[in-house]
Amino acid sequence: GAGVSQSPRYKVAKRGQDVALRCDPISGHVSLFWYQQALGQGPEFLTYFQNEAQLDKSGLPSDRFFAERPEGSVSTLKIQRTQQEDSAVYLCASSLTGQGNQPQHFGDGTRLSIL
Amino acid sequence: AQSVTQLGSHVSVSEGALVLLRCNYSSSVPPYLFWYVQYPNQGLQLLLKYTSAATLVKGINGFEAEFKKSETSFHLTKPSAHMSDAAEYFCAVRNTGNQFYFGTGTSLTVIP
Repeated sequence: GAGVSQSPRYKVAKRGQDVALRCDPISGHVSLFWYQQALGQGPEFLTYFQNEAQLDKSGLPSDRFFAERPEGSVSTLKIQRTQQEDSAVYLCASSLTGQGNQPQHFGDGTRLSIL
Repeated sequence: AQSVTQLGSHVSVSEGALVLLRCNYSSSVPPYLFWYVQYPNQGLQLLLKYTSAATLVKGINGFEAEFKKSETSFHLTKPSAHMSDAAEYFCAVRNTGNQFYFGTGTSLTVIP
């Protein structure tokens, strides 16, 4: 597709359930990023992939968060045993290369609500 | 560590007036700087980026930003605000690695 696609757009889950959020980056983009955006805040970095390799996961808030990109294209962010504080918008972004001057192209996000 | 500070979480301007959104960065090396705009229920769209080629950067929708190393600033301006400019604006810095650091955002309201 022309842009970064994320699904679902909205997800409601009960506390304790596991959720999986999908990101389909722009075709050919090497780098893929996940961010968490709390209400009224800027996006906060979670993790970064270059192709299938997860090069940085320093932003993942706990071991309940797990991300993968097994074939270097689609990525999934999984949250296990969800907590209310996990409620946020999860944004995925991709960029053509890993070079610093490359901008990121964002999807519309998945709004996750934990009840 | 990299960071950005956006002064003013809310800015209101009249339609046709100058828009000025402030961003200051902290960086030990010349950074890559970006401005993004976010409309409700959407992701972030790139407005412009600074990558050391020129200190005055022109972006989409009539926006521009000037990199001032002496002030560690990268303020966003537009000469004449339009109603469609109402949105959330984020300044971001990317280090030589691959982490982006975003400011907390400035919500722009345009008054007709």
